[in-house]
Amino acid sequence: AQSVAQPEDQVNVAEGNPLTVKCTYSVSGNPYLFWYVQYPNRGLQFLLKYITGDNLVKGSYGFEAEFNKSQTSFHLKKPSALVSDSALYFCAVRDMDMGRRALTFGSGTRLQVQP
Amino acid sequence: EAQVTQNPRYLITVTGKKLTVTCSQNMNHEYMSWYRQDPGLGLRQIYYSMNVEVTDKGDVPEGYKVSRKEKRNFPLILESPSPNQTSLYFCASRQPRGRELFFGEGSRLTVL
Repeated sequence: AQSVAQPEDQVNVAEGNPLTVKCTYSVSGNPYLFWYVQYPNRGLQFLLKYITGDNLVKGSYGFEAEFNKSQTSFHLKKPSALVSDSALYFCAVRDMDMGRRALTFGSGTRLQVQP
Repeated sequence: EAQVTQNPRYLITVTGKKLTVTCSQNMNHEYMSWYRQDPGLGLRQIYYSMNVEVTDKGDVPEGYKVSRKEKRNFPLILESPSPNQTSLYFCASRQPRGRELFFGEGSRLTVL
């Protein structure tokens, strides 16, 4: 089975400070990992993904994420937060080796960036 | 513009009254899927389709039906809606093999 955990319901950070949104996963094989962002009354938008290759993945809007196989983590980071980054963030995983085609999503983390 | 379009965006209905939420994508994607989003539970997959005439159950298929007669359309059918199907529904599509999902804007359904 595949699963993903986002341990924080909400993350608060001041504008200009670095931010981290945590994600850990569990798969039997090798993971595809994704981060999506959801703004109010909108659908989810793709931010970045890890499939293979470099452990540090860069994505949209200055976000990046680091794949750590030993810790089974894929934390989302940004060096300097903006108020406009305030949104709901979802981590998702799919097991590459098990033939399962669906993504499993975490429960989401609300990021609040204070001016 | 590449997009996934869902209709209606908002719907209030009563228990037992059949309804259909339409989904259409203009990106020629083979894979399409329906999710429901509930507070604290993230997104859970209802049904998915690998291609025309090929559909399969996701994690929470009970009470739902789908069809895939054309590549671009993937309607979600609630034959006899119940209050526990009150939720925010998302349609999504992608190309094969690990590509990212493109989501519609969502359909908020309330069943009284």
